[in-house]
Amino acid sequence: ETGVTQTPRHLVMGMTNKKSLKCEQHLGHNAMYWYKQSAKKPLELMFVYNFKEQTENNSVPSRFSPECPNSSHLFLHLHTLQPEDSALYLCASSSRTGAGYGYTFGSGTRLTVV
Amino acid sequence: GESVGLHLPTLSVQEGDNSIINCAYSNSASDYFIWYKQESGKGPQFIIDIRSNMDKRQGQRVTVLLNKTVKHLSLQIAATQPGDSAVYFCAENEQAGTALIFGKGTTLSVSS
Repeated sequence: ETGVTQTPRHLVMGMTNKKSLKCEQHLGHNAMYWYKQSAKKPLELMFVYNFKEQTENNSVPSRFSPECPNSSHLFLHLHTLQPEDSALYLCASSSRTGAGYGYTFGSGTRLTVV
Repeated sequence: GESVGLHLPTLSVQEGDNSIINCAYSNSASDYFIWYKQESGKGPQFIIDIRSNMDKRQGQRVTVLLNKTVKHLSLQIAATQPGDSAVYFCAENEQAGTALIFGKGTTLSVSS
């Protein structure tokens, strides 16, 4: 365990479903991130939260909706996804944003959209 | 746009050999660099980092070299072991940046 826990580990959903991914960290970090990892592509930054405030939305489609109720929890709400959204979704946290702060990653949620 | 990339998608070595994984970056404003290791079924794990005011940093069996002149970063693994088999990513961040930007990754395969 890295200290960042993601649930569920695997998720299969239809294109009309609504589901949520959950991320939890108890490292005392103030910044949390969502990354998308597709085959043969670099990790793509999706969202950044710093002290519960969203500081970056990397042109992510509105069918992905993040929520950060507190510094320890981060959600990614999914609705009307497309098959090309199938990927590994990784959550990470760091002490704060900016250079010099390494990230701790969770194990990811493997999402399959059918 | 700015990007971080790796020279080779795969690297195969024999157990006991030294491994060198390379990464080229294009953002001259990058200030902080990290190497991550990702094993199958797991998220990326921190290996070693380096700031732009350094050109070398050593850890346990790993060394990171930074050449700012040619914007090149490398990870050296000494006496490579089968447990080192994984995908290795470099990542960078600007001083005023928000989040790490990752390269594509190099798959290291270690045979006994």
